[in-house]
Formats: sequence, structure tokens, C-alpha cells
Amino acid sequence: LAKTTQPISMDSYEGQEVNITCSHNNIATNDYITWYQQFPSQGPRFIIQGYKTKVTNEVASLFIPADRKSSTLSLPRVSLSDTAVYYCLVGAPNTNAGKSTFGDGTTLTVKP
Amino acid sequence: EAEVAQSPRYKITEKSQAVAFWCDPISGHATLYWYRQILGQGPELLVQFQDESVVDDSQLPKDRFSAERLKGVDSTLKIQPAELGDSAMYLCASSSRDRGGYTFGSGTRLTVV
Repeated sequence: LAKTTQPISMDSYEGQEVNITCSHNNIATNDYITWYQQFPSQGPRFIIQGYKTKVTNEVASLFIPADRKSSTLSLPRVSLSDTAVYYCLVGAPNTNAGKSTFGDGTTLTVKP
Repeated sequence: EAEVAQSPRYKITEKSQAVAFWCDPISGHATLYWYRQILGQGPELLVQFQDESVVDDSQLPKDRFSAERLKGVDSTLKIQPAELGDSAMYLCASSSRDRGGYTFGSGTRLTVV
């Protein structure tokens, strides 16, 4: 089972860069790392996915070291609207989802 | 952007009653998932479908929960009888082979009284 560990909570201020790290020591060779964002009373929203090194899209970057035992989600210049819970999920795409778990996520609070 | 549709948005039911949730995944997504999310916790997988077949239902409480996806498109999750501990958000998600990650619906908030 692909288990992940994240900080329970983080605080930041508007305009700062936020880095949230996820540990996944038992990641398997064919596992990808996916991050989701969830606002209250909504379903999680896909942010970014990667396998190794660095991935960047219009909202975030994902840094994955060579050993792949951890990953860091980087949110540039956060705003109040980035206040949400962020989940790291490890698993092989389109395989048995029961082999990867969401955990309890990281609650990011962005302050003015 | 295509969305996963779920209904109802909210449901209040009495203990021991039956309740059903409906999900329509993104068109063409062969894989469909039902998750349960208790307040303050991450989503927990209940059942995964590949087309109309169940891939994983190991965490589904089969004495009271059932799920079906008869034509491999939309899906229904049923609880009978509902218990107080079933109060939670029930999320449906779907995925395709050509894009990473799941697309979630907005969920059904179930309250059992």
C-alpha cells in the first residue's frame, strides 16, 4: 500500500511561495505522484502529476528527487483563494486505486 | 471543462432508511470510483469500476452498501439501511487512460438522523 506522510497544516501570507512536502518511502517503480486541492464542500481537484525530476504547469510545480521517496508541491505567490487542503497521492495510473490512499492532507491557510 | 455530475447535492435521511446516490462520469472515462469522506479526513475508496466490472470493492461494507454500473456509464451507490455513522460526503470520480489523475464530482453530503 502506497502510504504518504504530509504536514497536518501550514500557514503562509499572500504573495509568498509555499512548498508542501510529501514523504512516500515505499513508492513502487510504476507509481506516479499526484497532488489534489480541496475546498470545503467540494470534491478534490487535480493539480499536478509527475514521475520524476520536475513538472510545471500553469498553477504549480512538482519537484521529485532521484530516489522518489518524497515530493514537493510548490505554489508560487499564493493568494487567499489558495487556502485549502492539499493531498498527495501515490499510485500507478488507472490501476487498482485501493493501493493508494489520500491520507488526511495538509491544510494550507493563506493570511492577508 | 467536462465535469463529473453527482446528485443529489445534499441528502438527509433517517436511520434505517434506504438512500441512493447517482454519478455520471466524464464521457469516455472507463474507470469510475466512489469515495467516502468523513469530515476532517481524506477520501476513502469504497469501490472502483472498470467499465461495468468491479475492480476493487474491498472497503465497501457489503452488508449495507451496494454499487452498480450496469452499462458502464453512470453509476449508483446505495445504502440500506443507513446508520448514523454513514454521515459523510460521498464523492464520485472518473479517470481516463490518456490523462493522469482523477476528476471528482462535487459530492453528495449525507446526513443520517
